[in-house]
Amino acid sequence: QSALTQPASVSGSPGQSITISCTGTSSDVGAYKYVSWYQQHPGKAPKLMLYEVSNRPSGVSNRFSGSKSGNTASLTISGLQAEDEADYYCASYTTTSTWVFGGGTKVTVL
Amino acid sequence: EIQLVESGGTLVQPGGSLRLSCAVSGFIFSDYWMHWVRQAPGKGLVWVARINLDGSTTNYADSVKGRFTISRDNAKNTLYLEMNSLRAEDTAVYFCAKGRTGGFGDYWGQGTLVTVSS
Repeated sequence: QSALTQPASVSGSPGQSITISCTGTSSDVGAYKYVSWYQQHPGKAPKLMLYEVSNRPSGVSNRFSGSKSGNTASLTISGLQAEDEADYYCASYTTTSTWVFGGGTKVTVL
Repeated sequence: EIQLVESGGTLVQPGGSLRLSCAVSGFIFSDYWMHWVRQAPGKGLVWVARINLDGSTTNYADSVKGRFTISRDNAKNTLYLEMNSLRAEDTAVYFCAKGRTGGFGDYWGQGTLVTVSS
């Protein structure tokens, strides 16, 4: 159950697009479509942004999109806004019927 | 309105035990898997455990397997996490999260802090 690999930080200017990668193995990300992404602001509970790779829960902006290729999933934020500055975590279901998170990525809006 | 409210976090000595609770409202508790997730101070999220609708199926992270037990009382709309043989590395904010089709975490509690220290 090793953590998924995410870049420690990603930054962009307002209006730009950024992409966060989430690399796992054939036992997690590569095995299923069950990859989720969460946003967490300091001192707050996480918020579900995407589930099943690319599905947005009700109320989540369509500026957030997801994809997956092989053992790597990606979250793209388009039209970056100041409120998007937060930590982002991916999570994947695994072949051992557990879930595993990535280490997290700090997004900075320049 | 859906609410998840954790309780039970406190300071406990290494080797000690603790039971966390997560009281839910606003949805049919018995219709959903439930999860526990923790976050050590200044660190990332770590998935801990999950339980199915009637409590007959549970899964755990390797780091807590054999020490932690997840359970639920559908009559009381409450999720539990029994933690034994606690270690310093178990120090974290513990969140409960609602399961959903294809994943989990469409709703979260506010978290409860467990500190393991002598």
